[in-house]
Amino acid sequence: SAVISQKPSRDICQRGTSLTIQCQVDSQVTMMFWYRQQPGQSLTLIATANQGSEATYESGFVIDKFPISRPNLTFSTLTVSNMSPEDSSIYLCSVVAVGNTIYFGEGSWLTVV
Amino acid sequence: AQSVTQLGSHVSVSEGALVLLRCNYSSSVPPYLFWYVQYPNQGLQLLLKYTSAATLVKGINGFEAEFKKSETSFHLTKPSAHMSDAAEYFCAVSGKSTSYGKLTFGQGTILTVHP
Repeated sequence: SAVISQKPSRDICQRGTSLTIQCQVDSQVTMMFWYRQQPGQSLTLIATANQGSEATYESGFVIDKFPISRPNLTFSTLTVSNMSPEDSSIYLCSVVAVGNTIYFGEGSWLTVV
Repeated sequence: AQSVTQLGSHVSVSEGALVLLRCNYSSSVPPYLFWYVQYPNQGLQLLLKYTSAATLVKGINGFEAEFKKSETSFHLTKPSAHMSDAAEYFCAVSGKSTSYGKLTFGQGTILTVHP
């Protein structure tokens, strides 16, 4: 199994500011992903966090809005830039662990006011 | 492209009754399929996964799901509902090979369990 720690767990932010969310895994993993879950909605994949190279973004998501870093095989960050109330969501980190099981962090609950 | 459809955004059962949550998928190749549960104010917990081995997959908390290729379905069942099963359930499909891990989720089904 893999234990995933996300920080912050919750935050309330002012519009126009940026917030960086951290994802730490207790073991080395090859694949890491970031998802967004808007209120009352399902999860949508934002991007694949690639170790040592630029993240791969899904349609509708861009690097300027959601810059992602992945400096090593256990850690990644997602920044939500120039936030607006529409960015109020749960942001979740996901990894593919040994045995090809896909685990999720507990999520970072972001409210933009 | 792959997609997942969960039939019924809300399902209500009595405690002790059968739980049936429906999931149909669309994929151009044999898929990898997952069920996750999300309790209120929590993240996602994996219930079970299908990765082309046995078609009947047993998961945690007494849940199981059967992969039916002819029906493109992966319905989740539990013989007897418990109050603690009240949560939102998500069916998801993953790509294969270099796309493995990139999940496409259904819209979710909220399960309510009545005493």
